[in-house]
Amino acid sequence: AQSVTQLDSHVSVSEGTPVLLRCNYSSSYSPSLFWYVQHPNKGLQLLLKYTSAATLVKGINGFEAEFKKSETSFHLTKPSAHMSDAAEYFCVVRQPGGGADGLTFGKGTHLIIQP
Amino acid sequence: NAGVTQTPKFQVLKTGQSMTLQCAQDMNHEYMSWYRQDPGMGLRLIHYSVGAGITDQGEVPNGYNVSRSTTEDFPLRLLSAAPSQTSVYFCASSYSGLGENYGYTFGSGTRLTVV
Repeated sequence: AQSVTQLDSHVSVSEGTPVLLRCNYSSSYSPSLFWYVQHPNKGLQLLLKYTSAATLVKGINGFEAEFKKSETSFHLTKPSAHMSDAAEYFCVVRQPGGGADGLTFGKGTHLIIQP
Repeated sequence: NAGVTQTPKFQVLKTGQSMTLQCAQDMNHEYMSWYRQDPGMGLRLIHYSVGAGITDQGEVPNGYNVSRSTTEDFPLRLLSAAPSQTSVYFCASSYSGLGENYGYTFGSGTRLTVV
């Protein structure tokens, strides 16, 4: 069975400071990993994905994530937060045969940006 | 614009009423799915389909029916609404499950309240 743990339900940073959103996963096989962002009253937008190529993945809006197999982690980072980054972020793991559609969602991290 | 279209965006139902949430995609994706999002729960899979004429249950299927008569459309039916079905519903699509490199495209959601 696979699972995803987002270690922080809320993260608050000041504008212009680095962002770190933490995600740990468990999976029996080599998984695909995704980060999605959801702005208030909007759908989910794909930020980036890891699919067994380069372990450092660059996404949209300056976000990136590093896949660390030894630590079973896929943390999301951004060097400098912007007010528009305030949103809910979901870490998602996908593996073949890992459930009804192979997708497991984390419970989400609410990112707050202080002016 | 290509993508996943959900209607309606908002709906209020009385207990016992029935309704259909519509979902359409124009990307020729084989895979479509329905999720519900509840506070602190992430997204949970209701039903999914790997192609026209094929549907299967997800994690929380009770109280919901689906059908997939065309590649483009994947409606979700609530036969007799209950307050426990108050939630935000998201439809998603993707290339087939064999395409592990592909992320999912989500609709903007339907906010349903059952009173």
